[in-house]
Amino acid sequence: GAGVSQSPSNKVTEKGKDVELRCDPISGHTALYWYRQSLGQGLEFLIYFQGNSAPDKSGLPSDRFSAERTGGSVSTLTIQRTQQEDSAVYLCASSLDRPNEKLFFGSGTQLSVL
Amino acid sequence: AQSVTQLGSHVSVSEGALVLLRCNYSSSVPPYLFWYVQYPNQGLQLLLKYTTGATLVKGINGFEAEFKKSETSFHLTKPSAHMSDAAEYFCAVSNQGGKLIFGQGTELSVKP
Repeated sequence: GAGVSQSPSNKVTEKGKDVELRCDPISGHTALYWYRQSLGQGLEFLIYFQGNSAPDKSGLPSDRFSAERTGGSVSTLTIQRTQQEDSAVYLCASSLDRPNEKLFFGSGTQLSVL
Repeated sequence: AQSVTQLGSHVSVSEGALVLLRCNYSSSVPPYLFWYVQYPNQGLQLLLKYTTGATLVKGINGFEAEFKKSETSFHLTKPSAHMSDAAEYFCAVSNQGGKLIFGQGTELSVKP
């Protein structure tokens, strides 16, 4: 497809379980972002990959959160030992590797931790 | 580190009235500034951006924003609101190539 693809679109899990969220960026986009969107919290920056540079992980809220990007394309966000406060929409976005390029957002993964 | 503050989590205007959504930023270097919009049940999309040059930038759907360095502001305006403008609006800042930081969003309601 032509857009940013995220899977699954919805994920329900039990507290304490691990979850993996996947993002397929637009082909050729070397910059990739993960954000978390919660009610009243806006878009919270999580992590930023740019080309072959070391990722900017400064937004990850705890060491339960990690992300990787394989081959400069697909990215996986992993949340270990999920907590109820992790419930949110997780958004992925990609862009060309130029600083003023617009971000293209996926539709997000709605994560619900019971 | 850069940051963004959007004043007012909810703004309500009448159809045909002026829309003004406020955004102030903090950045240690000349910033790149953006407004994104999220219509109900849709993904975020870019409205407009400021990088360099003219400080008044025009975007889609009749919106515009003015970069005011002295006020560290980038407020979004539209002369006449339409019902279809009802959405959530996000201001964002980057420090010229680094991560893009978003504000908390302003939900715009338009009354008939």
